Amino acid sequence: EIQLVESGGGLVQPGGSLRLSCATSGFTFGDYAMHWVRRVPGKGLEWVSGINWNSRERGQADSVKGRFTIARDNAKSSLYLQMSSLKPEDTALYYCVKDYGSGWYSPFDFWGQGTMVTVSS
Amino acid sequence: SYELTQSLSVSVALGQTARITCGGNDIGRKSVHWYQQRPGQAPVLVISRDRNRPSGIPDRFSGSNSGNTATLTISRAQVGDEGDYYCQVWDTNAVLFGGGTKLTVL
Repeated sequence: EIQLVESGGGLVQPGGSLRLSCATSGFTFGDYAMHWVRRVPGKGLEWVSGINWNSRERGQADSVKGRFTIARDNAKSSLYLQMSSLKPEDTALYYCVKDYGSGWYSPFDFWGQGTMVTVSS
Repeated sequence: SYELTQSLSVSVALGQTARITCGGNDIGRKSVHWYQQRPGQAPVLVISRDRNRPSGIPDRFSGSNSGNTATLTISRAQVGDEGDYYCQVWDTNAVLFGGGTKLTVL
């Protein structure tokens, strides 16, 4: 059974930093691209960032460029999101998401339950 | 930049057919994926690459994509189908989601 378990969310002040982690199991992590997607309370889904299987390709939304960094450790089957210069508009439920393929252009076939990030003073 | 347009809400009578649309400039040239998100749950892929149903998704769910509109069709709608539905495409190495459509089964 595929499992994606996010952690690291919490309350942080504007301008602060946070590191999200996603522990995975049930599939060969190193064979697949991975992503972070967020849902702002009361709003829709927004893709945050993605990374291909060997970390050579990364993409991110314009709204987080220069502030968030995605990374992965295939030996630990884990995905990370380093978030800095956080803004109130970054408040959201952050999902760890498995890609169907190893690179871009595939659908997202498994999602974690999410970890909540709240940016507020 | 590319934009995807979805209706805010769609209502359907129990047992009838619901159609949820996703508009975009020449979207028929793109591959569209659809996700269902029930309240309090994580999203689930229900249609991939315009019309393919992942394992475990009932055949009541179908998809099409042509011109400027992609459509998710849910036949014989059930109360369990209620939730938010999102279309998704890739555009110039970035992922785009539609704004989401809330489906209500009456």
